[in-house]
Amino acid sequence: DTAVSQTPKYLVTQMGNDKSIKCEQNLGHDTMYWYKQDSKKFLKIMFSYNNKELIINETVPNRFSPKSPDKAHLNLHINSLELGDSAVYFCASSQVKRQGGEQFFGPGTRLTVL
Amino acid sequence: SQKIEQNSEALNIQEGKTATLTCNYTNYSPAYLQWYRQDPGRGPVFLLLIRENEKEKRKERLKVTFDTTLKQSLFHITASQPADSATYLCALRGAGSYQLTFGKGTKLSVIP
Repeated sequence: DTAVSQTPKYLVTQMGNDKSIKCEQNLGHDTMYWYKQDSKKFLKIMFSYNNKELIINETVPNRFSPKSPDKAHLNLHINSLELGDSAVYFCASSQVKRQGGEQFFGPGTRLTVL
Repeated sequence: SQKIEQNSEALNIQEGKTATLTCNYTNYSPAYLQWYRQDPGRGPVFLLLIRENEKEKRKERLKVTFDTTLKQSLFHITASQPADSATYLCALRGAGSYQLTFGKGTKLSVIP
């Protein structure tokens, strides 16, 4: 019974392609996040949704578009992939107000753009 | 701008010793400070949270301190074991904020 799951775990694709990463959480949390971890291991927030509403939208190229169909799912679609998009993408969830806001992370999706 | 510094990129210690990791921040008044562990190829895992009005928190062999005057948190692992080898991340959150800001992490290696 995985708490936060992501698919796929690995994604290898050519420049210019469009791809999606999916995330699901079964913790009943109201907030979900996408992070990018680059080759230097720095974890940077990209987006966050609270109850299906976009609440964090960091400076990210327009080619990245998140979508939250419901509180338990947050997907990330990337158009026209570039070499610099290669990284590990982590999904996370939290229940900010009830608890201390600690976040539960998925296993990551390693994206390689060739 | 807000800045979080974990002052060692890497720390090597002998098994059985206490590991002490440091997290310093500037231009920030966090209400919560959190520590996470990340193993290679895996997502970060939450370890401990400390609030701005708390000085110290413990959990088994882990201890976190939070000094809002010094703008610093110390993370201690006592009686360290090789299994404690991982990257440890410090993260800050403001009151009422949904956003966690992470430091770059310290890679801890416990040598048998």
